[in-house]
Amino acid sequence: EAQVTQNPRYLITVTGKKLTVTCSQNMNHEYMSWYRQDPGLGLRQIYYSMNVEVTDKGDVPEGYKVSRKEKRNFPLILESPSPNQTSLYFCASSFRLAGTNTGELFFGEGSRLTVL
Amino acid sequence: KQEVTQIPAALSVPEGENLVLNCSFTDSAIYNLQWFRQDPGKGLTSLLLIQSSQREQTSGRLNASLDKSSGRSTLYIAASQPGDSATYLCAAYNYGQNFVFGPGTRLSVLP
Repeated sequence: EAQVTQNPRYLITVTGKKLTVTCSQNMNHEYMSWYRQDPGLGLRQIYYSMNVEVTDKGDVPEGYKVSRKEKRNFPLILESPSPNQTSLYFCASSFRLAGTNTGELFFGEGSRLTVL
Repeated sequence: KQEVTQIPAALSVPEGENLVLNCSFTDSAIYNLQWFRQDPGKGLTSLLLIQSSQREQTSGRLNASLDKSSGRSTLYIAASQPGDSATYLCAAYNYGQNFVFGPGTRLSVLP
Protein backbone atom coordinates (compact mmCIF):
# COMPACT_ATOMS: atom_id res chain seq x y z
CA GLU A 1 0.00 0.00 0.00
CA ALA A 2 1.30 3.42 -0.99
CA GLN A 3 1.80 5.49 2.10
CA VAL A 4 3.71 8.13 4.01
CA THR A 5 4.57 6.97 7.53
CA GLN A 6 5.45 9.27 10.40
CA ASN A 7 6.75 8.36 13.84
CA PRO A 8 6.05 9.02 16.60
CA ARG A 9 2.38 9.91 16.20
CA TYR A 10 2.26 11.49 19.63
CA LEU A 11 5.08 12.83 21.76
CA ILE A 12 5.34 14.86 24.92
CA THR A 13 8.80 16.17 25.69
CA VAL A 14 10.53 18.90 27.66
CA THR A 15 12.29 22.05 26.57
CA GLY A 16 15.77 21.44 25.21
CA LYS A 17 15.59 17.68 24.80
CA LYS A 18 16.56 16.85 21.22
CA LEU A 19 14.06 14.84 19.25
CA THR A 20 13.60 13.45 15.76
CA VAL A 21 10.36 12.83 13.92
CA THR A 22 10.83 10.29 11.17
CA CYS A 23 9.07 10.27 7.81
CA SER A 24 9.24 7.49 5.28
CA GLN A 25 7.47 7.00 1.95
CA ASN A 26 7.27 3.89 -0.21
CA MET A 27 6.26 5.53 -3.51
CA ASN A 28 9.75 6.42 -4.78
CA HIS A 29 8.84 10.11 -4.62
CA GLU A 30 11.57 12.67 -5.19
CA TYR A 31 9.81 15.52 -3.40
CA MET A 32 9.26 15.47 0.36
CA SER A 33 8.17 18.21 2.72
CA TRP A 34 7.40 19.00 6.36
CA TYR A 35 4.53 21.20 7.53
CA ARG A 36 3.25 22.33 10.84
CA GLN A 37 -0.40 23.09 11.49
CA ASP A 38 -1.57 25.43 14.23
CA PRO A 39 -5.07 26.71 14.99
CA GLY A 40 -5.78 29.88 13.08
CA LEU A 41 -2.50 29.72 11.15
CA GLY A 42 -3.21 26.87 8.77
CA LEU A 43 -0.53 24.73 7.21
CA ARG A 44 2.94 26.25 7.13
CA GLN A 45 5.89 24.69 5.38
CA ILE A 46 9.03 24.08 7.42
CA TYR A 47 11.46 22.47 4.98
CA TYR A 48 11.25 20.64 1.71
CA SER A 49 13.48 18.45 -0.42
CA MET A 50 13.42 18.08 -4.18
CA ASN A 51 15.66 15.02 -4.13
CA VAL A 52 18.38 13.20 -2.20
CA GLU A 53 20.87 15.60 -0.60
CA VAL A 54 18.81 18.62 -1.74
CA THR A 55 16.89 20.52 0.95
CA ASP A 56 15.46 24.04 1.15
CA LYS A 57 13.85 26.22 3.78
CA GLY A 58 10.13 26.74 3.76
CA ASP A 59 8.25 29.53 5.48
CA VAL A 60 9.05 28.66 9.12
CA PRO A 61 12.43 26.83 9.28
CA GLU A 62 13.75 28.37 12.51
CA GLY A 63 14.45 25.78 15.18
CA TYR A 64 14.30 22.82 12.80
CA LYS A 65 16.77 20.76 10.80
CA VAL A 66 16.27 18.14 8.13
CA SER A 67 18.36 15.71 6.15
CA ARG A 68 17.74 13.69 3.01
CA LYS A 69 20.35 10.96 2.82
CA GLU A 70 17.99 8.42 1.28
CA LYS A 71 15.16 8.93 -1.15
CA ARG A 72 12.50 7.33 1.06
CA ASN A 73 13.36 9.08 4.36
CA PHE A 74 13.13 12.72 5.43
CA PRO A 75 13.53 13.12 9.19
CA LEU A 76 12.68 16.35 11.01
CA ILE A 77 15.07 17.23 13.82
CA LEU A 78 14.38 19.57 16.71
CA GLU A 79 17.79 20.17 18.27
CA SER A 80 16.49 22.13 21.27
CA PRO A 81 12.69 22.09 21.30
CA SER A 82 10.80 25.01 22.82
CA PRO A 83 7.13 25.34 23.82
CA ASN A 84 6.37 27.39 20.67
CA GLN A 85 7.14 24.26 18.65
CA THR A 86 4.14 22.51 20.16
CA SER A 87 2.12 21.71 17.06
CA LEU A 88 0.73 19.09 14.71
CA TYR A 89 3.35 18.10 12.16
CA PHE A 90 2.78 16.58 8.74
CA CYS A 91 5.13 15.01 6.27
CA ALA A 92 4.16 14.91 2.60
CA SER A 93 5.63 13.53 -0.61
CA SER A 94 5.13 13.74 -4.35
CA PHE A 95 6.78 12.89 -7.62
CA ARG A 96 8.96 15.69 -8.85
CA LEU A 97 6.97 17.78 -11.26
CA ALA A 98 8.28 16.92 -14.69
CA GLY A 99 6.91 15.30 -17.78
CA THR A 100 3.55 13.70 -17.20
CA ASN A 101 3.74 13.53 -13.40
CA THR A 102 0.59 14.98 -11.88
CA GLY A 103 2.28 16.32 -8.78
CA GLU A 104 -0.29 14.78 -6.45
CA LEU A 105 0.74 15.38 -2.85
CA PHE A 106 0.39 12.55 -0.31
CA PHE A 107 0.34 13.20 3.44
CA GLY A 108 1.28 11.21 6.49
CA GLU A 109 -1.14 10.85 9.41
CA GLY A 110 0.55 13.55 11.44
CA SER A 111 2.65 13.76 14.59
CA ARG A 112 1.29 15.68 17.55
CA LEU A 113 4.16 17.17 19.51
CA THR A 114 3.89 18.85 22.91
CA VAL A 115 6.90 20.63 24.37
CA LEU A 116 6.61 21.44 28.07
CA LYS B 1 4.25 34.95 -4.61
CA GLN B 2 1.17 32.75 -4.79
CA GLU B 3 -1.57 33.37 -2.22
CA VAL B 4 -4.56 31.12 -1.73
CA THR B 5 -7.79 32.02 0.04
CA GLN B 6 -10.93 30.02 0.76
CA ILE B 7 -14.45 31.25 1.31
CA PRO B 8 -16.40 30.64 3.43
CA ALA B 9 -14.26 29.84 6.47
CA ALA B 10 -17.08 27.72 7.87
CA LEU B 11 -20.32 26.34 6.48
CA SER B 12 -23.22 24.50 8.06
CA VAL B 13 -25.86 22.82 5.88
CA PRO B 14 -28.67 20.30 6.36
CA GLU B 15 -28.16 16.78 5.08
CA GLY B 16 -29.00 16.29 1.41
CA GLU B 17 -28.13 19.79 0.30
CA ASN B 18 -25.79 20.45 -2.61
CA LEU B 19 -22.99 22.85 -1.75
CA VAL B 20 -20.04 24.71 -3.24
CA LEU B 21 -16.71 25.49 -1.61
CA ASN B 22 -14.54 28.21 -3.12
CA CYS B 23 -10.79 28.52 -3.54
CA SER B 24 -9.09 31.60 -5.01
CA PHE B 25 -5.47 32.03 -6.03
CA THR B 26 -3.52 35.09 -7.12
CA ASP B 27 -1.06 33.62 -9.63
CA SER B 28 -2.91 31.99 -12.51
CA ALA B 29 0.21 30.24 -13.87
CA ILE B 30 -0.47 27.18 -11.76
CA TYR B 31 0.68 23.66 -12.61
CA ASN B 32 -2.12 22.00 -10.67
CA LEU B 33 -4.67 22.56 -7.95
CA GLN B 34 -5.49 19.89 -5.41
CA TRP B 35 -8.39 19.54 -2.99
CA PHE B 36 -7.95 17.79 0.35
CA ARG B 37 -10.17 16.69 3.19
CA GLN B 38 -9.01 16.78 6.80
CA ASP B 39 -10.85 15.28 9.74
CA PRO B 40 -10.09 16.77 13.18
CA GLY B 41 -6.59 15.86 14.34
CA LYS B 42 -6.02 13.68 11.29
CA GLY B 43 -3.95 13.84 8.14
CA LEU B 44 -4.96 15.30 4.80
CA THR B 45 -6.63 13.01 2.31
CA SER B 46 -6.40 13.91 -1.35
CA LEU B 47 -9.83 14.25 -2.98
CA LEU B 48 -9.24 15.61 -6.45
CA LEU B 49 -6.36 17.02 -8.45
CA ILE B 50 -6.88 19.25 -11.47
CA GLN B 51 -4.05 19.79 -13.89
CA SER B 52 -3.64 23.24 -15.44
CA SER B 53 -4.83 21.91 -18.80
CA GLN B 54 -8.05 20.54 -17.32
CA ARG B 55 -11.30 22.31 -16.49
CA GLU B 56 -12.76 19.84 -14.01
CA GLN B 57 -12.42 16.51 -12.29
CA THR B 58 -15.10 14.28 -10.79
CA SER B 59 -15.07 11.57 -8.15
CA GLY B 60 -18.38 10.19 -6.97
CA ARG B 61 -20.40 13.04 -5.47
CA LEU B 62 -17.50 15.45 -5.76
CA ASN B 63 -16.76 17.71 -8.70
CA ALA B 64 -13.91 20.20 -8.79
CA SER B 65 -13.56 22.88 -11.44
CA LEU B 66 -10.69 25.16 -12.34
CA ASP B 67 -10.82 28.58 -14.00
CA LYS B 68 -7.28 29.87 -14.26
CA SER B 69 -8.24 33.15 -15.90
CA SER B 70 -10.30 34.18 -12.90
CA GLY B 71 -8.01 32.52 -10.36
CA ARG B 72 -10.73 30.29 -8.95
CA SER B 73 -11.48 26.68 -8.22
CA THR B 74 -14.71 25.31 -6.79
CA LEU B 75 -15.47 22.03 -5.08
CA TYR B 76 -19.06 20.92 -5.55
CA ILE B 77 -20.47 18.33 -3.17
CA ALA B 78 -23.76 16.77 -4.21
CA ALA B 79 -26.33 15.39 -1.79
CA SER B 80 -24.25 16.13 1.29
CA GLN B 81 -24.11 13.61 4.14
CA PRO B 82 -23.08 13.95 7.81
CA GLY B 83 -19.96 11.92 6.94
CA ASP B 84 -18.85 14.79 4.70
CA SER B 85 -18.30 16.95 7.79
CA ALA B 86 -14.62 17.91 7.78
CA THR B 87 -12.29 20.72 6.82
CA TYR B 88 -11.61 21.07 3.11
CA LEU B 89 -8.36 22.61 1.92
CA CYS B 90 -7.16 23.53 -1.52
CA ALA B 91 -3.52 23.80 -2.57
CA ALA B 92 -2.04 25.43 -5.65
CA TYR B 93 1.28 24.51 -7.19
CA ASN B 94 3.23 26.82 -9.47
CA TYR B 95 6.10 25.18 -11.33
CA GLY B 96 9.42 26.12 -9.80
CA GLN B 97 7.77 27.37 -6.64
CA ASN B 98 6.03 25.35 -4.00
CA PHE B 99 2.67 24.10 -2.85
CA VAL B 100 0.60 26.89 -1.29
CA PHE B 101 -2.37 25.96 0.88
CA GLY B 102 -5.54 27.85 1.61
CA PRO B 103 -6.76 28.19 5.21
CA GLY B 104 -9.59 25.71 4.67
CA THR B 105 -13.38 25.65 4.92
CA ARG B 106 -14.86 23.85 7.90
CA LEU B 107 -18.00 22.02 6.77
CA SER B 108 -20.72 20.70 9.06
CA VAL B 109 -23.53 18.63 7.57
CA LEU B 110 -26.41 18.34 10.00
CA PRO B 111 -28.56 15.19 10.09
